Amino acid sequence: GIQVEQSPPDLILQEGANSTLRCNFSDSVNNLQWFHQNPWGQLINLFYIPSGTKQNGRLSATTVATERYSLLYISSSQTTDSGVYFCAVAPGYSSASKIIFGSGTRLSIRP
Amino acid sequence: GAVVSQHPSWVICKSGTSVKIECRSLDFQATTMFWYRQFPKQSLMLMATSNEGSKATYEQGVEKDKFLINHASLTLSTLTVTSAHPEDSSFYICSERSAGGAGAFGSGTRLTVV
Repeated sequence: GIQVEQSPPDLILQEGANSTLRCNFSDSVNNLQWFHQNPWGQLINLFYIPSGTKQNGRLSATTVATERYSLLYISSSQTTDSGVYFCAVAPGYSSASKIIFGSGTRLSIRP
Repeated sequence: GAVVSQHPSWVICKSGTSVKIECRSLDFQATTMFWYRQFPKQSLMLMATSNEGSKATYEQGVEKDKFLINHASLTLSTLTVTSAHPEDSSFYICSERSAGGAGAFGSGTRLTVV
C-alpha cells in the first residue's frame, strides 16, 4: 500500500517564527489533506490539496503531485498553532479508496 | 462538503463489557465508511472499511470478531468493541469520502476500559 512520511516528527519554535512541514508519499494520489488535531482529538481540516497551491490566512500549502510531496507553511506562528499536524492521502478517486495518514508532526510554539 | 456525526464522544466501560460507537453521515449517502484507531502520541491507523449492505473489510492484524462493524444503511455505520479490555482503550474515529472529494471525519470517541 501507499506509504506516507512526514517530517520533521517534532518541531519547537518561538512565537512569530515561520515553519515548513513536509509530507512525502510513495505513489500517485487523488486526495491529499492536511489536518490539525486539537487537544480533544478532533481533526480540523486545513486544506484539501491533491495538487497546486492554496492559502488561508497565515497558512498555505503546496502539493507537487508529480514529485509526490506536499508542504504546509505556517507563517508568524502563534501559541495556538501548537499541536499535531497530519497529512492524509487516498490513492484512488473512488469513495472506497482508503485514506492513509502520515505519522504526523508535533509542533510546539513557545511564547 | 460531507458532514459526519459520531457519538458518544467519550465512554468509560468495565472490562468484559461491549461498547457501541455510531457514525452517521448527515448530508451524504455513504456506501463506504472507514474506522480508525489512535493510541496516545501516535498516528491514526485504519482498522477497517465499512461497506453498506455487506461485510466489512479489516486491515491486517485487526480482530474482526472483536471489532464488529455494521453498515446497515447508507447513513449509519457502527463499531462495537466486544468484551473490551484495558488495551482496547483508545481514540476511535470514523470517516467517509465522496468520490474524488475530501474525507470528512467524525469528532472521535475516546474509550476508556477500566
